[in-house]
Amino acid sequence: GESVGLHLPTLSVQEGDNSIINCAYSNSASDYFIWYKQESGKGPQFIIDIRSNMDKRQGQRVTVLLNKTVKHLSLQIAATQPGDSAVYFCAENANAGGTSYGKLTFGQGTILTVHP
Amino acid sequence: ETGVTQSPTHLIKTRGQQVTLRCSSQSGHNTVSWYQQALGQGPQFIFQYYREEENGRGNFPPRFSGLQFPNYSSELNVNALELDDSALYLCASSSQGVIGGYTFGSGTRLTVV
Repeated sequence: GESVGLHLPTLSVQEGDNSIINCAYSNSASDYFIWYKQESGKGPQFIIDIRSNMDKRQGQRVTVLLNKTVKHLSLQIAATQPGDSAVYFCAENANAGGTSYGKLTFGQGTILTVHP
Repeated sequence: ETGVTQSPTHLIKTRGQQVTLRCSSQSGHNTVSWYQQALGQGPQFIFQYYREEENGRGNFPPRFSGLQFPNYSSELNVNALELDDSALYLCASSSQGVIGGYTFGSGTRLTVV
């Protein structure tokens, strides 16, 4: 099957900086995307999602951008805090609007480290 | 209890044995999906259960099987355990046809020795 991949496996930033985590996907049938945060020993925690009929969505301190032309997804975290340190995964769902909702394909993850 | 709960949290098994992992879905959710997450990797989709039937499967052999019960809880069974089956097993619940609210449990850490 097709997979989702990340450009950068690690990202180190200073507290207060903005962070950008990138993700490339290859399945043109993907119509739903989710960003997850995973801390050590825990399950993935939902951050934000976006459907393919949108190119931008904002949450609290986070923004997801979707560029379907180049099959690229990014997560922007504003004013990054030490508590944001974790592994971040993008996940895609092909044909989510049909019968395939919930069958996610994950990328390998980016380790975000925030220094005080 | 409104979140996804999994049991046990940790488990050690011997190669060749069988294991059963359990998942209770979030209140209001009727679909359960299982994932395997090897160390340092992203979760890999194993299969999904809806209306007590398998509703899609990833690239996993038949010795990985599952069940869903009328209360929407689910089990993952793995037979003939191999060392490479050591991983974090995650369960996620959702509502069929409703995009959003896809929620993961904290997982079961399985170690095969």
